[in-house]
Parts: sequence; C-alpha cells; structure tokens
Amino acid sequence: NAGVTQTPKFQVLKTGQSMTLQCAQDMNHNSMYWYRQDPGMGLRLIYYSASEGTTDKGEVPNGYNVSRLNKREFSLRLESAAPSQTSVYFCASSGGRFSNQPQHFGDGTRLSIL
Amino acid sequence: QQQVKQSPQSLIVQKGGISIINCAYENTAFDYFPWYQQFPGKGPALLIAIRPDVSEKKEGRFTISFNKSAKQFSLHIMDSQPGDSATYFCAASINFGNEKLTFGTGTRLTIIP
Repeated sequence: NAGVTQTPKFQVLKTGQSMTLQCAQDMNHNSMYWYRQDPGMGLRLIYYSASEGTTDKGEVPNGYNVSRLNKREFSLRLESAAPSQTSVYFCASSGGRFSNQPQHFGDGTRLSIL
Repeated sequence: QQQVKQSPQSLIVQKGGISIINCAYENTAFDYFPWYQQFPGKGPALLIAIRPDVSEKKEGRFTISFNKSAKQFSLHIMDSQPGDSATYFCAASINFGNEKLTFGTGTRLTIIP
C-alpha cells in the first residue's frame, strides 16, 4: 500500500518561479490537507479539502493555491515563490467527518527558494 | 495564535527511563488529541490518540494522560529505547480528529544508551 504519495521529494526554485506540488492517496479518503513544517513551529495547515470539489483556507494560505483534481489528488501551487516559502511540505488525507480514519501523511516535499 | 503549546522543545532520556512530553490547549471545543511520531526524512505517523471522555489511554509502552479541567495532556513513554528517538508532536482537533489538526511545536526526543 502506497498510502499518501508526494512528488517531487526535493525541489530548488528561484524567487518568482512557480511550481505545483502533487499529492495522491489510495485509501479512498474523503479529506485531504496541505501542511508546511518549519523548525520550532510544528506543522501549520495551509489549505484543506473536506471532500471532492471543496477547498478551504487553513492557518497560512497566503501565497498558495490548491486544486482538488479528483478524490485521489490534491495539488498545491506556488504562483510566485518567495524565500519565506522555503519549508518542508506535507500532504495528508483522512476519512473526514464522521469516519474513524485518522490523518495519514506523505513523506514530504523539501522545497528551497533561493 | 498558538492554540496547542508543547514542552519541552528537546528531551534527552537514558535507555530504560520514562520520557514525558506535555501539551496544553486553549480551545475547549477540541475533542480529539493525537500524538504523532516523526523520524528524519519521513512524514508524521499517528502513535496514539485520546478523546476527552477518558483520563488515560495506554498502548504498549505509550500512555496518554488527559486532564480536561486543566486543559492539558501528556505522552509518557515507559522503558524508553533508542528506537524511540524521534520528534513527537501533540495535536488537537474537533469532530473526532478526522478533520483539520492543530499541532504543537514538537519535541525532539533522544534516548541515550
């Protein structure tokens, strides 16, 4: 079982460049999430999707956009990368409200903005 | 606004000892309190979780103690082993944890021989 798969695993960008981080889950989960992890700050929610076709802002959405392409896939886009967006990005999925399927995380995308 | 406060930031424990990590929360609507374990280069993985209708939950060497009136919960690792060396995150959520989680800032645990 793959669980939650994130691509790429590493990426270096220049300031102002754009890129899309990909995430796919094979657990038939309804809800998907994007977090960023920074030293001393834990994981902070960027965006989430409670179900296919819906997305909502989390704690730190500025500078990001998301697309819930279908039930399996949830992508995160940086339109104009900034050094402050250097971080490790984690995608997660869960069964969603009223389910008993807690959040499972991918292994992250390590992103550096120069 | 840090809704879940975690301490200590780092912890060194001798093999066989008890590791204790503490968290405090502010939002009384939280009804699900998981602990995640993260090894270097990997994503967080659910370790153990508790709901506020019980004061303690034990799974093997790992125990969550929960104090609803104080809005605090803690992770105890008994007989700590070098393989337990990792970063631990407490978290909290509403709707039984299957929606968005609010994480603590993490504790880097090192078990020394």
